[in-house]
Amino acid sequence: SQKIEQNSEALNIQEGKTATLTCNYTNYSPAYLQWYRQDPGRGPVFLLLIRENEKEKRKERLKVTFDTTLKQSLFHITASQPADSATYLCALRVNKLIFGAGTRLAVHP
Amino acid sequence: EPEVTQTPSHQVTQMGQEVILRCVPISNHLYFYWYRQILGQKVEFLVSFYNNEISEKSEIFDDQFSVERPDGSNFTLKIRSTKLEDSAMYFCASSERSGLAQDNEQFFGPGTRLTVL
Repeated sequence: SQKIEQNSEALNIQEGKTATLTCNYTNYSPAYLQWYRQDPGRGPVFLLLIRENEKEKRKERLKVTFDTTLKQSLFHITASQPADSATYLCALRVNKLIFGAGTRLAVHP
Repeated sequence: EPEVTQTPSHQVTQMGQEVILRCVPISNHLYFYWYRQILGQKVEFLVSFYNNEISEKSEIFDDQFSVERPDGSNFTLKIRSTKLEDSAMYFCASSERSGLAQDNEQFFGPGTRLTVL
């Protein structure tokens, strides 16, 4: 069956450290993988998109990798700040978006 | 910056009643979507809409659901006879290009929290 899995546990890190979030999928062949941020009671906000033929994408303090052999994407936030605390959603784009359950990140001062 | 808006922010209804959730997509966008998120669960795709037609729908989107673009700006989701399990956040999204286009980005609205009693 088709699955998208993200770290189910919340991730707690110290301010200034790098947060690494994982997204694994099975039985999909997405052309694109996207990461979204969701704050409580709000809609998802687009952060980054990576294509199947790209290994890595960066935007400011954010970095995404995409390994289509391992069927995995890693999402990194460097020099994390308390304002980065949110739930981060991985989504496969197959026309519609198919979301993972999200990983809650808490950055502590 | 243009954004997707949704009304109402919170809707409370009795089981069996009809509800209409409203969305105003970004003005130059052509593709429209509804997603829902039951409390504590994943964001789930319901339906996509383009050129006044449904282009794709999920198995959640049964005969109780319908979508409409009644004028040039609004995009609505109607639930004919609400059930307890319809309680969720409903998100509208829009994009300039189709989901298969390279640089498509779906912009989400803030959501409508539907509570069915």
